[in-house]
Amino acid sequence: DTAVSQTPKYLVTQMGNDKSIKCEQNLGHDTMYWYKQDSKKFLKIMFSYNNKELIINETVPNRFSPKSPDKAHLNLHINSLELGDSAVYFCASSQFQLGYTFGSGTRLTVV
Amino acid sequence: GNSVTQMEGPVTLSEEAFLTINCTYTATGYPSLFWYVQYPGEGLQLLLKATKADDKGSNKGFEATYRKETTSFHLEKGSVQVSDSAVYFCALSDRAGNQFYFGTGTSLTVIP
Repeated sequence: DTAVSQTPKYLVTQMGNDKSIKCEQNLGHDTMYWYKQDSKKFLKIMFSYNNKELIINETVPNRFSPKSPDKAHLNLHINSLELGDSAVYFCASSQFQLGYTFGSGTRLTVV
Repeated sequence: GNSVTQMEGPVTLSEEAFLTINCTYTATGYPSLFWYVQYPGEGLQLLLKATKADDKGSNKGFEATYRKETTSFHLEKGSVQVSDSAVYFCALSDRAGNQFYFGTGTSLTVIP
């Protein structure tokens, strides 16, 4: 069983489209995150939810909107996609200081 | 505030060479420290961790010791293999565990 699963793994889309990435964790963790990894492998936190409540909302365009229907799911919706949104997006979950468990990533390419 | 600084890469080593990747941190309170590894095309995996000063984390031949006096958590391995080629991230979590702070990553390539 995959602990943190995100779909799709690859996403190629045109500028201006709206797309969603889904994430689910079966670890029972209270906290979930979205990270963006650029081409230089730099990781930037975007959002964090704890028990469905938004606790970290970094400076990202408001075209990005997270949604957490329950504590096992954290989806990311992106409106009006731009070329600069091309990156790998990682979902992760954690419990207190035990460390993160990451999903395998979604490679988004905007053309 | 909290932050992590790790040595810049890329690092290229021959098989069986000794590896050190430096990591220093700035934190309020008593953070936990982690090393994550990202193999090509994959997500990050926890490699090892230490939760208090003088703790040594170890896994797969890698080691790192939590040094409070030097605010460091350097990653070491005595003899690297080609399969260790990956990007390595140092990270810390705050006391509450709600946020992790990652270093910029160090790319390691091991050549036969």
